[in-house]
Amino acid sequence: AQSVAQPEDQVNVAEGNPLTVKCTYSVSGNPYLFWYVQYPNRGLQFLLKYITGDNLVKGSYGFEAEFNKSQTSFHLKKPSALVSDSALYFCAVRGTRGGGNKLTFGTGTQLKVEL
Amino acid sequence: GAVVSQHPSRVICKSGTSVKIECRSLDFQATTMFWYRQFPKQSLMLMATSNEGSKATYEQGVEKDKFLINHASLTLSTLTVASAHPEDSSFYICSAKEGAQSEAFFGQGTRLTVV
Repeated sequence: AQSVAQPEDQVNVAEGNPLTVKCTYSVSGNPYLFWYVQYPNRGLQFLLKYITGDNLVKGSYGFEAEFNKSQTSFHLKKPSALVSDSALYFCAVRGTRGGGNKLTFGTGTQLKVEL
Repeated sequence: GAVVSQHPSRVICKSGTSVKIECRSLDFQATTMFWYRQFPKQSLMLMATSNEGSKATYEQGVEKDKFLINHASLTLSTLTVASAHPEDSSFYICSAKEGAQSEAFFGQGTRLTVV
């Protein structure tokens, strides 16, 4: 079975500081990894994905994530946080063996960026 | 990115009535669509996966007679909550993907309140 862990329920960071939202995963086969952001009462917006290739993936709004196979991690990062980045962030994984098309989501991390 | 439109965004209905939620992929053909339910401050729970022209695959514990899914075309899937009860009140989100390695794009969600 595939699973995703987001160990932090909430991350607080000051505007202008770098931010990291952590994600680790477990899958059969190679992972397809995704980050999504959700604003209140809205669906999820796609930020970035890792399928294959460079371990550092760049996405929307200045976000990036680094795939680390040995640590089975896919942490989301941004060099300089904005107040408007405050939202709920979900990491998701799909394995290439078993599980079909299903995405498994982490429990989400609430990011709060303060002035 | 691709656009998925979900309608309505908010619905209030009386207990015992049925509610239909539509999910449309506006600029791509969605071979697979997914329906999720999200409880407050929790992650997304996959309810069912539907492929165009075939019966939906429901996750364990999801009542297929209560949550009726139809994926009649490559751009439209519907979720009907039959004989809704207050415990069905929740945030329902659909997503759609075009191919195996494609990321899933999400609708904006539907807030269902059963009174």
